[in-house]
Amino acid sequence: AIRMTQSPSSFSASTGDRVTITCRASQGISSYLAWYQQKPGKAPKLLIYAASTLQSGVPSRFSGSGSGTDFTLTISCLQSEDFATYYCQQYYSYPRTFGQGTRLEIK
Amino acid sequence: QVQLQESGPGLVKPSETLSLTCTVSGGSISSYYWSWIRQPPGKGLEWIGYIYYSGSINYNPSLKSRVTISVDTSKNQFSLKLSSVTAADTAVYYCASRIVGATQEGFFDYWGQGTLVTVSS
Repeated sequence: AIRMTQSPSSFSASTGDRVTITCRASQGISSYLAWYQQKPGKAPKLLIYAASTLQSGVPSRFSGSGSGTDFTLTISCLQSEDFATYYCQQYYSYPRTFGQGTRLEIK
Repeated sequence: QVQLQESGPGLVKPSETLSLTCTVSGGSISSYYWSWIRQPPGKGLEWIGYIYYSGSINYNPSLKSRVTISVDTSKNQFSLKLSSVTAADTAVYYCASRIVGATQEGFFDYWGQGTLVTVSS
């Protein structure tokens, strides 16, 4: 199985900050990567797929980049509703696998 | 827009079989890939497996010996059975989907709200 490793596991930021979360795959996955946002007690919400394609309805302050093994999710100007846990997921091969998550907290 | 709703017992005894159903509304069971994903309390997400109504199935090898996913097109439902459960199977179980024939497949844009299943005697 392809292992997905996110960094950092958690960090604190302030409203208005620009933040970047990294996801690394244990082998090349082309651009078959998705990002999700999860808030406590809720199901994950798809933000980005194909590494950089914004899901319909997701604010443009979210962006994704990367290919191969290294990927990033960037939030350009943090809003209060963005404090959540973020997961990457590869769909290059089976089994589908997720990163361990990055918890974004308010500073 | 498709909506998913999980249902099933919230408490299962060790060594027994966990059974969950996902009811689909707002979309045809034949138009989507259907998956089960779980999340132990305070932990990350684990993909369990997927099914397409035609019978195409793929399971996570880590669970394959204990998992069965099936689809009932007449009821617009799909189901999960996980046998010989232990406390390690305690988790929130989500059903999720992605439409067939989209430019990209393999991720999940529709999710149920999730249901907590606790394994305990």
